[in-house]
Amino acid sequence: SQKIEQNSEALNIQEGKTATLTCNYTNYSPAYLQWYRQDPGRGPVFLLLIRENEKEKRKERLKVTFDTTLKQSLFHITASQPADSATYLCALDIILTGGGNKLTFGTGTQLKVEL
Amino acid sequence: EAQVTQNPRYLITVTGKKLTVTCSQNMNHEYMSWYRQDPGLGLRQIYYSMNVEVTDKGDVPEGYKVSRKEKRNFPLILESPSPNQTSLYFCASSVRLAGDLYFGPGTRLTVL
Repeated sequence: SQKIEQNSEALNIQEGKTATLTCNYTNYSPAYLQWYRQDPGRGPVFLLLIRENEKEKRKERLKVTFDTTLKQSLFHITASQPADSATYLCALDIILTGGGNKLTFGTGTQLKVEL
Repeated sequence: EAQVTQNPRYLITVTGKKLTVTCSQNMNHEYMSWYRQDPGLGLRQIYYSMNVEVTDKGDVPEGYKVSRKEKRNFPLILESPSPNQTSLYFCASSVRLAGDLYFGPGTRLTVL
């Protein structure tokens, strides 16, 4: 069966360190992958998109890698700050057998950045 | 300001009492969708719409209806709510199917 896995346990790191979050998937062949941030009680906010033919994408302190052989994406936040504390969701663009495509979300990983 | 709005933000109702959650976007997006979010299950798509008068089922459509009469609005209708529809609901829009999504603030629904 198709599955998207993100660490269900919260990730706690110290301020200033690099946070690395993982998104693994099985039985999908996504055209691209997206990362979102979600704060408690709020809607997810789009952060980054990476295509299947891209190895790495950066935006300010954020970096995403996409390895279609390992079926894995890594999401890095460098020089992390307490304000980065949130839940981070990965989403895969899935090509539907009947045509078209849609986004399917992982369950998210909660990040806590401590002083 | 570009945004997706939902109303109401919080709703407590009783089993069987029809309700509608409204969703509106001001970005002229063609694609809109509804998700529900439950602990441990993540975001699951209920319905989506690729344009006016074009709607299709997502992963968990049972017990829900939608309509898309205007480009900006995409209401979610629960004809006969049940307690298993207690959840956090998000409306989202995008320029295109499976593009980066703009989410609304969420509607927390409790069905007693």
